[in-house]
This record gives sequence, structure tokens and C-alpha cells, in this order.
Amino acid sequence: AQSVTQPDIHITVSEGASLELRCNYSYGATPYLFWYVQSPGQGLQLLLKYFSGDTLVQGIKGFEAEFKRSQSSFNLRKPSVHWSDAAEYFCAVGINTGGFKTIFGAGTRLFVKA
Amino acid sequence: DAGITQSPRHKVTETGTPVTLRCHQTENHRYMYWYRQDPGHGLRLIHYSYGVKDTDKGEVSDGYSVSRSKTEDFLLTLESATSSQTSVYFCAIRPGTGILPEAFFGQGTRLTVV
Repeated sequence: AQSVTQPDIHITVSEGASLELRCNYSYGATPYLFWYVQSPGQGLQLLLKYFSGDTLVQGIKGFEAEFKRSQSSFNLRKPSVHWSDAAEYFCAVGINTGGFKTIFGAGTRLFVKA
Repeated sequence: DAGITQSPRHKVTETGTPVTLRCHQTENHRYMYWYRQDPGHGLRLIHYSYGVKDTDKGEVSDGYSVSRSKTEDFLLTLESATSSQTSVYFCAIRPGTGILPEAFFGQGTRLTVV
């Protein structure tokens, strides 16, 4: 069955430090991969997506992610975190079986300390 | 704003009563989805629709039904609300064509069953 694993429930980083959020997926075919961000009380906003081509993708707000097929991973990175990046981050995989569906991981909550 | 309106935004209801949540879109997108969000589970797909009167179940469909009689509206009904259905419900939309596989989300409906 298709699934997405985000091994870190929460992460705390200092402002200005680098960030990497981990994501592993399970899907037999070539996946569509996404990272979404959710601020408290808000809906989900797309940060970036991958479905073909260059395995390093750039997104909004200075985020990037790298697709590694051999590791079934799609980790999210940012070189320097800002206090406004504190939010919950969701990795997701898009699958096309009888209609296109998006399956989400459980999320990683990011805390940023001054 | 992806042209999605969820109503109501907040609702408190009693156990055993029926509840209907509405998702309205102005984008004329083919795909519409209902998710629930619970701590530790991320977003889980309840039902989705790939066209008018075309719907299918997601991973947590028990106790829920949906209807789509018009392209722009997708209704989620809790037939007899239970406390386990207390959650935040998100509607999402996605175009059926093109190279944009990502979903766009509404602002959510917070439902409390007492």
C-alpha cells in the first residue's frame, strides 16, 4: 500500500541555522511528490513539487527538496531558517489509481528558537 | 486563495445528529476531495470526486457520505455524528488536466461532536 513516513514528529532549530525535514514514501511507480506547509489555523500551502526532471527542486520561501529514488526519499531543506518558518510541514505523494489521490504523511512541526 | 470556500467554518453538534459540510469552488476543477486532520495522523482522505456524480471512497470513509450534483459543490455528510468524528475537515480541489498534479486546499472546518 502507498504510504508516506515523516520520522520526526517535531524539530527545534535556532533561527539562522539550516533545516532538513525527512520524508520517505512507499509507492511502486514513479511518484508525484509534494511538500506543504500549514500555519496555525490555516489551510495547506504548497511549498514545492516534483514529478520529473531535475531531482533537486526549488520552492517558495527559500525551500528546496531532493528526490532520491534509491532511498525512496524526498527531504526538505532550507539553508537558513527564519522565525516565520515555524509551522507544520507535510510531505505527500500523489498516486494515480482510479483517480488521482494525494496521500499525506503525519507531519513534522517545526519550532524556531531565537 | 484557490477559489475554495468551506462552510461552515466552525460547528458544534450533538452525538447522533446528521451534519453536512459544504465545499464550493469557483475554478471549475474536475477533482474535489475531503480530508480530515487529526494530531499524529496528518491528513487522511475521506472521499473524493472525479466529476459530477462520480465519487469514490478514501481510507477513512466509514460513517461519511458525499454528493456532487454540480461541478462547483461537494458535500460531506456525517450520517450520525460520533465523538470520534471531532476533527478539522479540509476540502481540496485539483484540475483534471494539465501538468499541475497538486491539490489546493480550503481553510478548513472545525467540527466538534459533543
